[in-house]
Amino acid sequence: AQSVAQPEDQVNVAEGNPLTVKCTYSVSGNPYLFWYVQYPNRGLQFLLKYITGDNLVKGSYGFEAEFNKSQTSFHLKKPSALVSDSALYFCAVRGQGSGGYQKVTFGTGTKLQVIP
Amino acid sequence: DGGITQSPKYLFRKEGQNVTLSCEQNLNHDAMYWYRQDPGQGLRLIYYSQIVNDFQKGDIAEGYSVSREKKESFPLTVTSAQKNPTAFYLCASSIGGTMNTEAFFGQGTRLTVV
Repeated sequence: AQSVAQPEDQVNVAEGNPLTVKCTYSVSGNPYLFWYVQYPNRGLQFLLKYITGDNLVKGSYGFEAEFNKSQTSFHLKKPSALVSDSALYFCAVRGQGSGGYQKVTFGTGTKLQVIP
Repeated sequence: DGGITQSPKYLFRKEGQNVTLSCEQNLNHDAMYWYRQDPGQGLRLIYYSQIVNDFQKGDIAEGYSVSREKKESFPLTVTSAQKNPTAFYLCASSIGGTMNTEAFFGQGTRLTVV
């Protein structure tokens, strides 16, 4: 069974400092990994994805993520945090569910708080 | 303007009632999903559908039912058998048949039992 772990419920970072939101995964076959962001009482918005190729993936709003196959990790990063980055972040993995159907599994989310 | 529309935004259910949450998409996506979001538990998959007239149970399907009669629509019914339905419900869609595409989400429906 596929799974995603986000070990930190909350991450606090000062504005202007670099930020990292951690994610590890477990899936059969090649991993297809995604990061999403959610603002209060809203749906999720896609940030970036890893499919294949370069281990450093760049996405929206200056975010990037580093894929590490040996550590089965896909950590989200940003060189300089903004107060507007404060939100709930979800890591997700896409794999094969039962009967050959594709299935997306999400982590429990990490609340990012950027302090002015 | 393409996207996913969920309605209503807020819904109140009395004990023992069935309620139906609407999800419509005009992205021409084959795959559609329903998730339930509770604080501290992230998103849990209720049902998903890869094509019209076919759907699969997710991780927490008990007390829920769905239909997929049209490509654009994937309504979710929360039945009286669901003992703790108060939650935020999210519908999503993606291009079917490929593993490398992201999901697009609606704005959610907040269901409260009164």
